[in-house]
Amino acid sequence: DAGVTQSPTHLIKTRGQQVTLRCSPKSGHDTVSWYQQALGQGPQFIFQYYEEEERQRGNFPDRFSGHQFPNYSSELNVNALLLGDSALYLCASSSQGAQETQYFGPGTRLLVL
Amino acid sequence: AQSVSQHNHHVILSEAASLELGCNYSYGGTVNLFWYVQYPGQHLQLLLKYFSGDPLVKGIKGFEAEFIKSKFSFNLRKPSVQWSDTAEYFCAVRSTSGGSYIPTFGRGTSLIVHP
Repeated sequence: DAGVTQSPTHLIKTRGQQVTLRCSPKSGHDTVSWYQQALGQGPQFIFQYYEEEERQRGNFPDRFSGHQFPNYSSELNVNALLLGDSALYLCASSSQGAQETQYFGPGTRLLVL
Repeated sequence: AQSVSQHNHHVILSEAASLELGCNYSYGGTVNLFWYVQYPGQHLQLLLKYFSGDPLVKGIKGFEAEFIKSKFSFNLRKPSVQWSDTAEYFCAVRSTSGGSYIPTFGRGTSLIVHP
């Protein structure tokens, strides 16, 4: 039973570029959440996808957008990259339901130069 | 809005020492509480969680946490740490009202255990 997988593991971009990160949820999970974890900080919620719709959003600008596919996998897109976007981007999956716990992937380390 | 405070940012212990990591949250309603661990080079893993019932929660690898509602606290404990417990520990809280169910994380505590 594969857990949450993310690709790529590392990425280097320059300011102004665009990036797409990918996530495959744990088997049986239908909800995907994305988090940004800056160095020395805890994960910060970006948004959550369920049934191919953005269900909730944290305090992130519109440069951050996402998508969920029919197989529940998800993408995170960041446009017009800034130096401050350098961080570990985490994907977490869960099942629908109030009591369900999120399971995290290994993350994608993004460096913006 | 809810917030989570982890008072100890860096903790250094010798093997066999006892551990207690503090976590306080600010939210007046019903909450779910979590402790996650991030070992060097690995992904976030759930250590333990509290939803309801017995406020003393047992987790994996000998960890436990106690929910004290009156103090808005959920401190993590382990009676005897090992070198392999060296990791980053995150407390997280989520409200159970309003349909959100999105956890808010503390900034983490870095634990180093000397062999």
